[in-house]
Amino acid sequence: AIQMTQSPSSLSASVGDRVTITCRASQGIRNDLGWYQQKPGTAPKLLIYTASILQSGVPSRFSGSGSGTDFTLTINNLQPEDFATYYCLQDSNYPWTFGQGTKVEIK
Amino acid sequence: EVQLVESGGGLVKPGGSLRLSCAASGFNFHTYTFNWVRQAPEKGLEWVTSISSSSRYIHYADSVKGRFTISRDNAKNSLYLQMNSLRAEDTALYYCVRETSGADYWGQGTLVTVSS
Repeated sequence: AIQMTQSPSSLSASVGDRVTITCRASQGIRNDLGWYQQKPGTAPKLLIYTASILQSGVPSRFSGSGSGTDFTLTINNLQPEDFATYYCLQDSNYPWTFGQGTKVEIK
Repeated sequence: EVQLVESGGGLVKPGGSLRLSCAASGFNFHTYTFNWVRQAPEKGLEWVTSISSSSRYIHYADSVKGRFTISRDNAKNSLYLQMNSLRAEDTALYYCVRETSGADYWGQGTLVTVSS
């Protein structure tokens, strides 16, 4: 199975900051990677698919990049509603595998 | 509006069985691949299984292979997960997930608790 290593596991940031989260795949997955946001008590929400395509309705301060094995989620101008846990997911091959998650907390 | 509504969760003893259902509405159910993804309490996300639109292609995580069976009824717009030989480590919130480019819609989840 492809392993997804996500970092950091948590970070503290302030409103207005720029935040970067990375995921590394144990083997190449082309651009078959998505980023998901999960708030407490709710289901995950798709933010970005195919590494860099913004899901409809998602604010443009979210962006994704990368291909092959290294991927990045960037949140510009962090807003109060962005404090949540973020996961990457490779859907290149079964079994799908998620990163361990990054909890973005308020500084 | 796309809706996915899971049901069937509950408390079951180790070794027991449970059948989860997911009722879909607001889109052409029969054209999509579906997955079950679970999340143990205070833990991360774990993919469990997937089924293609026609049920031709099915995949399982190693952790559930031989114990869980995914199925669907396109006439009823429904997805199912039959879970047998349940273990404590299967305790989790189980999400029904529609697949397009990524997992674009998730249900609210149904909680399965395996405990004596």
